[in-house]
Amino acid sequence: ILNVEQSPQSLHVQEGDSTNFTCSFPSSNFYALHWYRWETAKSPEALFVMTLNGDEKKKGRISATLNTKEGYSYLYIKGSQPEDSATYLCALTNSNSGYALNFGKGTSLLVTP
Amino acid sequence: EADIYQTPRYLVIGTGKKITLECSQTMGHDKMYWYQQDPGMELHLIHYSYGVNSTEKGDLSSESTVSRIRTEHFPLTLESARPSHTSQYLCASSERSHTGELFFGEGSRLTVL
Repeated sequence: ILNVEQSPQSLHVQEGDSTNFTCSFPSSNFYALHWYRWETAKSPEALFVMTLNGDEKKKGRISATLNTKEGYSYLYIKGSQPEDSATYLCALTNSNSGYALNFGKGTSLLVTP
Repeated sequence: EADIYQTPRYLVIGTGKKITLECSQTMGHDKMYWYQQDPGMELHLIHYSYGVNSTEKGDLSSESTVSRIRTEHFPLTLESARPSHTSQYLCASSERSHTGELFFGEGSRLTVL
């Protein structure tokens, strides 16, 4: 099992604030880094899959960066809205894991009006 | 919207009962997975399948078993449920690609009394 660390564990921001989370992982034998959003009572949904060092991906107000050499990824949310409230999961796959995804515990975000 | 379905969503049963959690997907994905999540913990892979008649155990040891007789169907069975099996079970599928995003079902929350 790969050690995937996410911080902070939880976050409470006001509507309109921008925020970011961190995902740290072992950098050796890296293959892919996934971000998922999991809203209460729904299924986790993929946000990004990143494979190359320096990758930057964006979907609306949400963006992510990847540094495979130092083993971290950042997820940014610009101008948070209440509908962004969810748990954000980071997951890693590498050749040691048999290409299975190893998840972090997630960052729980609450955005209040 | 992902087409992957899990039943039941919630199940409360007594110790010793046999249960089957159903998972079906209509996307024609070869890869299917079962994840287990205890409160406050990571999603842990307990079973996966790369195609019909292929099943493998994941990183987390589990007393459950799975079968893959049809591409679209990946049920999980517990022959004799115990309170330690109380957890949330999430089914997922992906295309036959190591970087393919996972599509998740809504989960089955099992409580064993």
